Amino acid sequence: QVQLVQPGAEVKKPGSSVKVSCRASGGTFSNFTVSWVRRAPGQGLEWMGRIRPVFGKTTSSQNFQGRFTIIADESASIVYMDLSNLRSEDTALYYCARHGRSEPGIFDIWGQGTMVTVSS
Amino acid sequence: IVMTQSPATLSVSPGERATLSCRASQSISSNLAWYQLKPGQAPRLLIYGASTRATGIPARFSGSGSGTEFSLTISSLQSEDFAVYYCQQYNNWPPYSFGQGTKLEI
Repeated sequence: QVQLVQPGAEVKKPGSSVKVSCRASGGTFSNFTVSWVRRAPGQGLEWMGRIRPVFGKTTSSQNFQGRFTIIADESASIVYMDLSNLRSEDTALYYCARHGRSEPGIFDIWGQGTMVTVSS
Repeated sequence: IVMTQSPATLSVSPGERATLSCRASQSISSNLAWYQLKPGQAPRLLIYGASTRATGIPARFSGSGSGTEFSLTISSLQSEDFAVYYCQQYNNWPPYSFGQGTKLEI
């Protein structure tokens, strides 16, 4: 059973960038799509963007245009998200999630999340 | 597409039935999923296609609805079911959109 492994936490200053990794353990991302979803304190889930590692094709939410990048190292089965120009409102739990194979719009496996705190 | 969940918090006793609601701002056919979130754990997919249970999900979880109105029912609540539940539409994307969540508490 594939698991998605993420680092536990990051602390960043306003205006800086954060890069969070998501590694597939016990399998690969071959032919799957991977998304990033975040949950700010007291807020709901917010989809940020997705990547198809085998093709490198990405799609992002307009809410993050210009600040958000997803890249994949397919050979190592790792997907990264990079969020720049951080502000306090970006403090959140960031999840990676694998899309389903038979139902591509759903997220069938999730990582445990990486807590990103933006504070001066 | 805006997804609206109700209620925000639902207080139920173990063994009782719980029904959570999710409404879409426009028709999403049956392209709706439900997820369970617990602190410190990876979110878990419960239901997709509005009514199909994901692999390993107990039969006490059931989903229904189509178009704009959906519900998730837990027939007999177990202690491990107390969590936050989110609905998600995948009919029109980007973006995939989620509801604000329903907290199920004892």
